[in-house]
Amino acid sequence: DQQVKQNSPSLSVQEGRISILNCDYTNSMFDYFLWYKKYPAEGPTFLISISSIKDKNEDGRFTVFLNKSAKHLSLHIVPSQPGDSAVYFCAASAAGTASKLTFGTGTRLQVTL
Amino acid sequence: EAGVVQSPRYKIIEKKQPVAFWCNPISGHNTLYWYRQNLGQGPELLIRYENEEAVDDSQLPKDRFSAERLKGVDSTLKIQPAELGDSAVYLCASSVDSGAAYEQYFGPGTRLTVT
Repeated sequence: DQQVKQNSPSLSVQEGRISILNCDYTNSMFDYFLWYKKYPAEGPTFLISISSIKDKNEDGRFTVFLNKSAKHLSLHIVPSQPGDSAVYFCAASAAGTASKLTFGTGTRLQVTL
Repeated sequence: EAGVVQSPRYKIIEKKQPVAFWCNPISGHNTLYWYRQNLGQGPELLIRYENEEAVDDSQLPKDRFSAERLKGVDSTLKIQPAELGDSAVYLCASSVDSGAAYEQYFGPGTRLTVT
């Protein structure tokens, strides 16, 4: 039972354009959502997060949007840069279990010149 | 600040052999996590330690997997005997405590191949 789903295994975007990565979840107990970025041969690194009490969180070029009614979140990267090419994982945690993360399967982003 | 250190980075073994992975968390981090990442999947939590105590090992296959965190610092994850399906990347992560999910710092992982 995949509680966090990333339905697009890969995405290719031109440099300077917007990258939109999507994530859906099924567990209504999830109240905190995170995006991690992973380069080859490295561990995932935290990128940005959002609490369920918000619908948007912005950090520089990265913005995460949360639609609780649709159980959907998205990560926007504007403008996209070649260094953004990586695998992006969506993760979620439930109230009272902040440290127990459930990850999606990841989306590989390729930013082309 | 040094990050989470894992060794070895790569390991190839034959099935039925034992294998062990080592993790040194960030200094001062009380919480340590072991994850398994299968090909094309996201990381899945195997076990979480608060200092020396394993507080969540519900996902650890206890018939063949074991873990320890002596003195609440370094940790070792062992598989005995290994099976073909154990081929994966084993990630270690640490955090100051378990209160904030975003504060998990991951190591580079150990890629295990069982032949």
